[in-house]
Amino acid sequence: AQKVTQAQTEISVVEKEDVTLDCVYETRDTTYYLFWYKQPPSGELVFLIRRNSFDEQNEISGRYSWNFQKSTSSFNFTITASQVVDSAVYFCALSGMNTGNQFYFGTGTSLTVIP
Amino acid sequence: GAGVSQSPSNKVTEKGKDVELRCDPISGHTALYWYRQSLGQGLEFLIYFQGNSAPDKSGLPSDRFSAERTGGSVSTLTIQRTQQEDSAVYLCASSLGTGGASRQFFGPGTRLTVL
Repeated sequence: AQKVTQAQTEISVVEKEDVTLDCVYETRDTTYYLFWYKQPPSGELVFLIRRNSFDEQNEISGRYSWNFQKSTSSFNFTITASQVVDSAVYFCALSGMNTGNQFYFGTGTSLTVIP
Repeated sequence: GAGVSQSPSNKVTEKGKDVELRCDPISGHTALYWYRQSLGQGLEFLIYFQGNSAPDKSGLPSDRFSAERTGGSVSTLTIQRTQQEDSAVYLCASSLGTGGASRQFFGPGTRLTVL
């Protein structure tokens, strides 16, 4: 079965704090892809990152970083020195070579950054 | 515009009426997805189109839901005999390639309210 779990429903942090959003996935595919999307209050989902299952290198992009660990089936997302503009719902998603091109999204984590 | 567009942005209808939701994907994108996002929920996959292949309809919740894609471009999602539980935001996404590796570009969504 393909499944994405984002156990944190809502998180609030004070501006400039670091925050980590958890994502745990389940898949039987040996080749799969993991994604993070941001959904700001305006509603339109914005792509943040894609990672394939063969690349476990962590990635940093500005204040964003991602920690992919196949051993724990996790793909966590950290925002460093959070800002009010980071307030949004963040979705983790999974797709696999054998899932008929379907994408499986988690239920999202709503992040509120308090000024 | 260069992005995915959806119309209408908001639709209020009475229970039992039929509705049509439209999606214009990014030009040249061969893949098109429809999702449903209920309040506080993740994205629920509905249907997937890839080029001229038969669509993957495995996510459609009932036979009241149908979708078509004309000329490999514009898509219409039709909900017949709407029910209150159909109230949600319907999101359309398109992507360049096949399979799960391609990032999706999302439209702004259509908010459907069934009274």
